[in-house]
Amino acid sequence: AQSVTQLGSHVSVSEGALVLLRCNYSSSVPPYLFWYVQYPNQGLQLLLKYTSAATLVKGINGFEAEFKKSETSFHLTKPSAHMSDAAEYFCAVSIFGNEQLTFGTGTRLTIIP
Amino acid sequence: DSGVTQTPKHLITATGQRVTLRCSPRSGDLSVYWYQQSLDQGLQFLIQYYNGEERAKGNILERFSAQQFPDLHSELNLSSLELGDSALYFCASSASGRVSTEAFFGQGTRLTVV
Repeated sequence: AQSVTQLGSHVSVSEGALVLLRCNYSSSVPPYLFWYVQYPNQGLQLLLKYTSAATLVKGINGFEAEFKKSETSFHLTKPSAHMSDAAEYFCAVSIFGNEQLTFGTGTRLTIIP
Repeated sequence: DSGVTQTPKHLITATGQRVTLRCSPRSGDLSVYWYQQSLDQGLQFLIQYYNGEERAKGNILERFSAQQFPDLHSELNLSSLELGDSALYFCASSASGRVSTEAFFGQGTRLTVV
């Protein structure tokens, strides 16, 4: 079975600083990997996804993530944090033939003015 | 706005009762997914339908059931409700049944069991 682990349930960064949210996955077969964002009282919105094409994936709102097979990681980064980035972020994994997303426990990102 | 509509937005009910949550997928999307988000369990996949047929099943209790109708809307039925069923229930839809296709989430139905 596949799983993801998000390191750090809460991350705080200053406005303009680098955002780094960590995600490690476990899967016996090549995974599909996703990052979703959830704003307060909203549903989840897809930021980006990796589906075995380029290992560096660019998403919306300036976010990107790099798939590193050797490290089983898919960390999310953004060079410069904005106040509007404050939200909860979820990493998720799936595999071909098992069409369900397995989510991590989420990381709440706080932006310090 | 994701285009996925869930009703009602909030629901408060007593233990032992039965409720129905409704989801209208984005226009043209054939697949519907149901997820439960709770503080202790996090986000968990419940069930998926594709064009009216059950496609995949996750951690869905026997007290819960779902269906997708010919017009592609879906309903999640929760019965014999317990306090622990209090959660946010999300519906998502995608054009295909493949998770590699982007799934669009509704705003959820917050269920409170008292």
